[in-house]
Amino acid sequence: SAVISQKPSRDICQRGTSLTIQCQVDSQVTMMFWYRQQPGQSLTLIATANQGSEATYESGFVIDKFPISRPNLTFSTLTVSNMSPEDSSIYLCSVPSGSYNTDTQYFGPGTRLTVL
Amino acid sequence: RKEVEQDPGPFNVPEGATVAFNCTYSNSASQSFFWYRQDCRKEPKLLMSVYSSGNEDGRFTAQLNRASQYISLLIRDSKLSDSATYLCVVTRSNDYKLSFGAGTTVTVRA
Repeated sequence: SAVISQKPSRDICQRGTSLTIQCQVDSQVTMMFWYRQQPGQSLTLIATANQGSEATYESGFVIDKFPISRPNLTFSTLTVSNMSPEDSSIYLCSVPSGSYNTDTQYFGPGTRLTVL
Repeated sequence: RKEVEQDPGPFNVPEGATVAFNCTYSNSASQSFFWYRQDCRKEPKLLMSVYSSGNEDGRFTAQLNRASQYISLLIRDSKLSDSATYLCVVTRSNDYKLSFGAGTTVTVRA
């Protein structure tokens, strides 16, 4: 299984500021996914980070608010821009467990963000 | 309608009891199904895949009913360590990305 780390593990931020979350995987993967899990809610896919091309965003999420970088096959960042208290959430990155689209996913430990 | 719906619970059961719960999914073209487990303040981890014929992994049994579009999970001989939130996960039919239910909370008491 893949070993995934995220930084920071948690942060408390002021509204209007931005936070960049890092995700590091111990093996090369084609796709990396970014999710949000709001308190008491399910995981919601934000975007797919593709190496060498623009990220693909889900409905309701836009690049200006959640810019993503994917400089290589083991690393990605998600920035939460111009934060508001509604952005308080856990942000998780994940990678597929295999080569096929129907494979399941491994998750990083998450970044717990609180916006004041 | 949500893509994946679950009874949030909580299911409070004594040690040794059997607990079972379902989830329903809206897209009949969904291909793959999973149960994940999420402990408090931790990331989700795969518990088991769910196959059409039903499958068992130790004390855990998963069933899939494609006609009625629901998935079930049964836990036998519950342990204290089974206390967690169980997430029902379905692949989207158009791009195979994962859709998550909100989770069913199970608490096993001594």
